[in-house]
Amino acid sequence: QVQLQESGPGLVKSSETLSLTCTVSGGSINNSGYFWGWIRQSPGKGLEWIASIYNSETIYYNPSLKSRVTTSIDTSKNQFSLRLSSVTAADTAVYFCARHSSGYAALDYWGQGTLVSVSS
Amino acid sequence: DMQMTQSPSSLSASVGDRVSITCRSSQSISTYVNWYQEKPGKAPKLLIYAASSLQRGVPSRFSGRGSGTDFTLTISSLQPEDFATYYCHQTYSIPYTFGQGTKLEV
Repeated sequence: QVQLQESGPGLVKSSETLSLTCTVSGGSINNSGYFWGWIRQSPGKGLEWIASIYNSETIYYNPSLKSRVTTSIDTSKNQFSLRLSSVTAADTAVYFCARHSSGYAALDYWGQGTLVSVSS
Repeated sequence: DMQMTQSPSSLSASVGDRVSITCRSSQSISTYVNWYQEKPGKAPKLLIYAASSLQRGVPSRFSGRGSGTDFTLTISSLQPEDFATYYCHQTYSIPYTFGQGTKLEV
């Protein structure tokens, strides 16, 4: 059974960089045939896809966030990471990591989510 | 960006009811639609992928249909554990986008 777990600071100061890591257990992240993605949900709002990574050469970003987002993968630790720079209050959200296939890209395994608040 | 318009935004129903939620995309997206159920404090759960394929382990009372621009999630006989928020999700084009959600209430 694949499990994902987000980790990182729950509070980030405005204008600084948000950094989160997702640790995958129950399966290898390396050449698994799956993408590993980040999705967020602002308080009381809907879901927003941020980015997906297959390997260091195959990465997709949401254009609305692309200038501020970086995602990377560390196969030695079975982890992937998210960095979002120059955060504002609008970036306060629950951040989820998840897995999806390359076909229909259905998000079949999710982390529990972690709330990141941006303070001024 | 591909817009996914879900309706209704909220729905009142009772145990045993048959309910349907619709999602309309701003352009044709073949069958690149997935459906999720979300409960408070929990991650969304995949119910249906590729518009009509039931995810493993999901009860058969859930079904999906549609192609092109119009998609429907149907719950044939509501159970108490089905009261939640439901989202459609298109993966036809980047950025992947979600509908705004439908809250299913008693």
